[in-house]
Amino acid sequence: GQQLNQSPQSMFIQEGEDVSMNCTSSSIFNTWLWYKQDPGEGPVLLIALYKAGELTSNGRLTAQFGITRKDSFLNISASIPSDVGIYFCALYGGSQGNLIFGKGTKLSVKP
Amino acid sequence: SQTIHQWPATLVQPVGSPLSLECTVEGTSNPNLYWYRQAAGRGLQLLFYSVGIGQISSEVPQNLSASRPQDRQFILSSKKLLLSDSGFYLCAWSGSFGGLGANVLTFGAGSRLTVL
Repeated sequence: GQQLNQSPQSMFIQEGEDVSMNCTSSSIFNTWLWYKQDPGEGPVLLIALYKAGELTSNGRLTAQFGITRKDSFLNISASIPSDVGIYFCALYGGSQGNLIFGKGTKLSVKP
Repeated sequence: SQTIHQWPATLVQPVGSPLSLECTVEGTSNPNLYWYRQAAGRGLQLLFYSVGIGQISSEVPQNLSASRPQDRQFILSSKKLLLSDSGFYLCAWSGSFGGLGANVLTFGAGSRLTVL
């Protein structure tokens, strides 16, 4: 099946720092999604990317769909304590809209 | 607007007892419905998905089953829980008119199951 690698696994940063995480896949895909999961909650969609090379921003978040269609990154600028959580990349891995998720990047922000 | 509800939010059950987690979606019709499990606060594993009433596809063979008795209701069950069934269970839905792009998944708040 498809391999989806997400890195880093965890990050411990100081408030105000910028954050970058990325995902790579073993196959070409047409859609990349980035979700954030707050502690004890379900994941919430942050950004959806539908076109190779697409760069999309959502407030302090910026995500890009790689030109090769095998990778994507998510940047968070000027991190704040509420950015804490687990960030997942996701791809459509099968029929009926099933998503394959990366293993997540756990972000901790020190005030 | 569409909303998704999951309950119970937290459940502690003894080994060998039955399980029933329920998920309902409002504000949409004929959604695709999904059950995911998240162990140890990390990766999400797809357990079941359904494209219509009575239609269930299983991704991972195990001690659990799913049913869809109504269009917007999805139930996760077990006849006898195992210790390894502990985890965070997430229901999700998708539809062509999700408002965020075709087939984007929207998740419920999750049900935390502890098997003792």
